[in-house]
Amino acid sequence: DTGVSQDPRHKITKRGQNVTFRCDPISEHNRLYWYRQTLGQGPEFLTYFQNEAQLEKSRLLSDRFSAERPKGSFSTLEIQRTEQGDSAMYLCASSDDWDRGVGAEQYFGPGTRLTVT
Amino acid sequence: GQSLEQPSEVTAVEGAIVQINCTYQTSGFYGLSWYQQHDGGAPTFLSYNALDGLEETGRFSSFLSRSDSYGYLLLQELQMKDSASYFCAGAPGNQGGKLIFGQGTELSVKP
Repeated sequence: DTGVSQDPRHKITKRGQNVTFRCDPISEHNRLYWYRQTLGQGPEFLTYFQNEAQLEKSRLLSDRFSAERPKGSFSTLEIQRTEQGDSAMYLCASSDDWDRGVGAEQYFGPGTRLTVT
Repeated sequence: GQSLEQPSEVTAVEGAIVQINCTYQTSGFYGLSWYQQHDGGAPTFLSYNALDGLEETGRFSSFLSRSDSYGYLLLQELQMKDSASYFCAGAPGNQGGKLIFGQGTELSVKP
């Protein structure tokens, strides 16, 4: 297994455009997380999935953000009507189930760097 | 609320020992994790403390005191490659799930 992959690695878009990012988790992991990180800050939680179910979404996340994991494998994060404040690194992570004795470790992908001009 | 505080930066010399502290305010964290992130790279897991006490993994050790809402990461025999940002992260859920990250400590290892 090659780890968590994300696509694209970089995205430059104009304000007001919609963007979509993809994340492919480690194949045997049921949990998938999205975080956002800006320079000099720690990753900020956005949302997470257990299989195809979206279990939690940050209250800080505006309605312009939506995420899906339709078949419990890859996930997409869409940002509609992008704003300059959306510029950040968007990180995806996956983990094993908690009740299998592990699951504390989250494996992060390389991220998608979004620049909104 | 749920927040974690760490020093913003620490400097140490090769071969030394450094301790990065993390204090947190929470209405219920279940465990504390530590992640390392090199410039331009993804965060990578270092350790997780579910219970009070010390966990050792090679040159790295992590400590947790839930009664004091305090933990630390101890790095021994520092190497230049240890220069990176280190994040503590709390798990609000008792079965994993999201992590709340601190703002990170930038460690600079000097020769």
